[in-house]
Amino acid sequence: GNSVTQMEGPVTLSEEAFLTINCTYTATGYPSLFWYVQYPGEGLQLLLKATKADDKGSNKGFEATYRKETTSFHLEKGSVQVSDSAVYFCALSTPQAGTALIFGKGTTLSVSS
Amino acid sequence: GAVVSQHPSWVICKSGTSVKIECRSLDFQATTMFWYRQFPKQSLMLMATSNEGSKATYEQGVEKDKFLINHASLTLSTLTVTSAHPEDSSFYICSARDPGDSQNSPLHFGNGTRLTVT
Repeated sequence: GNSVTQMEGPVTLSEEAFLTINCTYTATGYPSLFWYVQYPGEGLQLLLKATKADDKGSNKGFEATYRKETTSFHLEKGSVQVSDSAVYFCALSTPQAGTALIFGKGTTLSVSS
Repeated sequence: GAVVSQHPSWVICKSGTSVKIECRSLDFQATTMFWYRQFPKQSLMLMATSNEGSKATYEQGVEKDKFLINHASLTLSTLTVTSAHPEDSSFYICSARDPGDSQNSPLHFGNGTRLTVT
């Protein structure tokens, strides 16, 4: 079946540090991959996405590259800010219409000044 | 962009009562909506797929008589937690995909409903 595995958190960083949150997936076919972010007390927001191998999604300084050979979609940011503190979810969907997202367990990021 | 509105944002109820949560797509019509449940510090677990005009499809382990889903129109799905108990306390989130988007498009999420059963 389809599944997403994320690195365990929490991740604690100082401001301006480099961030990597690992995400690997198992899927049949060619899934689309997403990173969602959940700020404290809020709902989920799409951060970035990639729909095919070697695509790079980017937004707000975050990047992730769809690596089919390693079935990975690691999230990176060169210099984190306190405002980036949130829970980050890696997710996938299969190409069929009407399918739900499958989420990883989420990684809590805490950035201190 | 597409907006999904969920109401209420939080609710406290007594054990044994029922609670209804509404999920609306505000600027698009959604033939399919998804209901998730999120436990503290855990991931989102898909509960069911809500299909307009037909019965919902429940994931394994989710009691359909406990969590009643009605998708009466193309812009509204409701989740009713019947005879709620403290173990039903959780964060419930609905989502939908704008059918005008591609099949690879992301889901749009409501802001969630925090249910506390006392």
